[in-house]
Amino acid sequence: DSGVTQTPKHLITATGQRVTLRCSPRSGDLSVYWYQQSLDQGLQFLIQYYNGEERAKGNILERFSAQQFPDLHSELNLSSLELGDSALYFCASSPHPGEVREKLFFGSGTQLSVL
Amino acid sequence: AQSVTQLGSHVSVSEGALVLLRCNYSSSVPPYLFWYVQYPNQGLQLLLKYTSAATLVKGINGFEAEFKKSETSFHLTKPSAHMSDAAEYFCATTTGTASKLTFGTGTRLQVTL
Repeated sequence: DSGVTQTPKHLITATGQRVTLRCSPRSGDLSVYWYQQSLDQGLQFLIQYYNGEERAKGNILERFSAQQFPDLHSELNLSSLELGDSALYFCASSPHPGEVREKLFFGSGTQLSVL
Repeated sequence: AQSVTQLGSHVSVSEGALVLLRCNYSSSVPPYLFWYVQYPNQGLQLLLKYTSAATLVKGINGFEAEFKKSETSFHLTKPSAHMSDAAEYFCATTTGTASKLTFGTGTRLQVTL
């Protein structure tokens, strides 16, 4: 158990809908990272928050947004969903802003299926 | 931009046999390299990392990897496979921060009796 909690584990929705994925980092970790894992794109970094502020942005679509709350949990909001958004969404956390030597701790992911 | 290429999307070995999972990197500057493992229905777990110290890196569960600059490789090995090693393995790299990790496409390791 990595200590990173993601809910829900599975989510099935329809095209055009909006969903929210939740992540609770390990106790004491200030950084939260979101990754998308799909069959065609592989594992891609979406966005990172550190202590409530956006720290780094990757290949995140404009239809997607994220935030980190004062209690350090994070939410990833996906709107106007398309079939291609079906993927496994991972959250990871680390203690610091994201130094390269840091170890990331991954949650078990949320499997999103858009029908 | 830095990238990694994993050769072989599926590798099958017998229990007790050598495990060799291949990863080649492409980077214009010295890279940091990582191997992560993903067990079924779980998130990724760091196996080992190379951050420009010793070229032979030992990780968890008996795995190790050797950084070879001349071959631009960072292959993952384990002398003797165990059934519990069956999982998907990802090579990753960054020249910057942890948030800019670039992952390979993954290699699924199957271990047979």
